[in-house]
Amino acid sequence: DIVMTQSPDSLAVSLGERATINCKSSQSVLYSSNNENYLAWYQQKPGQPPKLLIYWASTRESGVPDRFSGSGSGTDFTLTISSLQAEDVAVYYCQQYYTTLRTFGQGTKLEIK
Amino acid sequence: QVQLQESGPGLMKPSETLSLTCTVSGGSISSYYWSWIRQPPGKGLEWIGNIYYTGSTNYNPSLRSRVTISVDTSKNQFSLILNSVTAADTAMYYCARDHSSGWFDDWGQGTLVTVSS
Repeated sequence: DIVMTQSPDSLAVSLGERATINCKSSQSVLYSSNNENYLAWYQQKPGQPPKLLIYWASTRESGVPDRFSGSGSGTDFTLTISSLQAEDVAVYYCQQYYTTLRTFGQGTKLEIK
Repeated sequence: QVQLQESGPGLMKPSETLSLTCTVSGGSISSYYWSWIRQPPGKGLEWIGNIYYTGSTNYNPSLRSRVTISVDTSKNQFSLILNSVTAADTAMYYCARDHSSGWFDDWGQGTLVTVSS
């Protein structure tokens, strides 16, 4: 299994400031034949299902605000919220789809400082 | 974007068989993969398995011995059966559309299954 490890477990950021969440995979999720990273990010608000934010490590899903961005390659990835808004309070998960057995990170809880 | 709705029992006893159905609306179940994902209270997400509309399946090895996923294209539904449940199976169970590349782009609201004697 590919183990996904996120850091930090929780994060408090002031409104308007940058929030950065990291995700590390136990093996590379970069597929050499197409040079794509098989990594997605989700946002989960209380009482709601996860919402897809980013796939291919850096492609924003339609309708996702451009303050959300994804970066990284191989085993190390980052989700950045450039200017935190109140509605961004949530738990964020990374997920790899390099293997048939899809696995998620443990989640990072983002709060307002 | 499609809508997904899970249905099933809320409360179960240990050793019983869990049966959940996901109804897809606003689009056809054909030409996509469909997944079940669960989330124990206060914890993270675990992929259970998926099914293609043709009936081809993939399962999480940790659950494979107890899980069956099936599809009924005539009803635009797919289903999950989990045998011999224990308290460890207590979770919110989500169904989701599984993009062919591997991410989950549409989710149901989830159904909470509690296993307790």
